[in-house]
Parts: sequence; C-alpha cells; structure tokens
Amino acid sequence: TQLLEQSPQFLSIQEGENLTVYCNSSSVFSSLQWYRQEPGEGPVLLVTVVTGGEVKKLKRLTFQFGDARKDSSLHITAAQPGDTGLYLCAGSHGSSNTGKLIFGQGTTLQVKP
Amino acid sequence: AAGVIQSPRHLIKEKRETATLKCYPIPRHDTVYWYQQGPGQDPQFLISFYEKMQSDKGSIPDRFSAQQFSDYHSELNMSSLELGDSALYFCASSMTGAGNTIYFGEGSWLTVV
Repeated sequence: TQLLEQSPQFLSIQEGENLTVYCNSSSVFSSLQWYRQEPGEGPVLLVTVVTGGEVKKLKRLTFQFGDARKDSSLHITAAQPGDTGLYLCAGSHGSSNTGKLIFGQGTTLQVKP
Repeated sequence: AAGVIQSPRHLIKEKRETATLKCYPIPRHDTVYWYQQGPGQDPQFLISFYEKMQSDKGSIPDRFSAQQFSDYHSELNMSSLELGDSALYFCASSMTGAGNTIYFGEGSWLTVV
C-alpha cells in the first residue's frame, strides 16, 4: 500500500506548457518535501512545506501544502526542457530525529523542445 | 555549501560477500538516514540514527546493520549479499529543529553479481 499517492506518474509535454503534479495521502504530515532526481543521482531538495495552506515559489515552480497537511501540489509554469526529470514528493510524520521520509512513486516529466 | 558525502560511489560485489558503505553527514546535522532505491522504485527507508543512537528502523534486512560513530559519520554494513540487494543506497542527514528538511547524498551504487 502506497501511503503517498503521486500523480501522474508519467508526463510528456511540449516546451512552454504548464503542468501540475499531485501528492495525496490519507495521513497528516508534519512536513512535506519535494525533490528532483536525475538518473543515478541522489534526490535534490526543491522545497519543504510545513504549514497547512502554505504556498512557496521557486522561479517557475509553485508548491502548495494542503490546509489539512495531507496533500501537496507542484505546479510548473512554462515548462522548459531543463525541467525534465523525476519529481518526488516525500512526507514526514514526526520530528526530524525520527522523521523518516515516506516517498511517493515519483513523476517522470519529459519536456520536449 | 557542504553536502552529504557518500563512499564509494560504485561497488561491485559477488553473492554472499560483504559490503560497507560510508556516509558523512552535513556538518552540525545530528540525524542520519539510510535509504535503498531499487531500479524504477522510490527510495525506501532502512534505518536512522539520532545523536549516534538508532532512532527508527524501516525495511532493513537482518543481514544489514548500521551504526553512527562519534564523529557523526555512519556506516551501513551488508553481509551475505544477494542479487536483490543491487540498488542505489542513499544516505541523508538533517538537523533537529530545521523544519524537518532532509538532504540526500549522491548515493552508492551497489551491484551484486
């Protein structure tokens, strides 16, 4: 059973299009993190959200944490080929010293020129 | 900025052999995590340490053990290796009170032949 459902799992779009990736759970998380991972490399942190309803922006990326802290979304505006990669959401239930991450299945994004 | 350092980056072992992976967390980070990521899968939590004591345990096989040393570096020891142990092993670290943000190393590729 996947505790953190991420969708879509695969997305192929044209350069300039917008997209949204969703991360949903029935559990409440103390924090949620979004990572981007290249093949054979470690996940690179994009953002951490901790407050229900929180919205954070990172250039063309907008991250939102649901009011109930059970879900999150990543919206990319005007996608570029350089955005291609695997995007992972990961939630933490506890404080950082026991805050193991539960990962979603990941979204593989391909942005075509 | 210093990141999580893992070694070796690549490792090839035969079945039934033993392997040791090392991890050096970001300076001043007090928690270390180990994750295993199989091909096409999301990272799975293995074990974590807070201030050199085991703080949480995930899906770590009994053949594996880990510890955190006085200098906060950690080692993951894997014995009686099986073909199914072939995976990317990530170490990650975090600092208590820093928003539960967990930073990953670049990973150690283990191939069991």
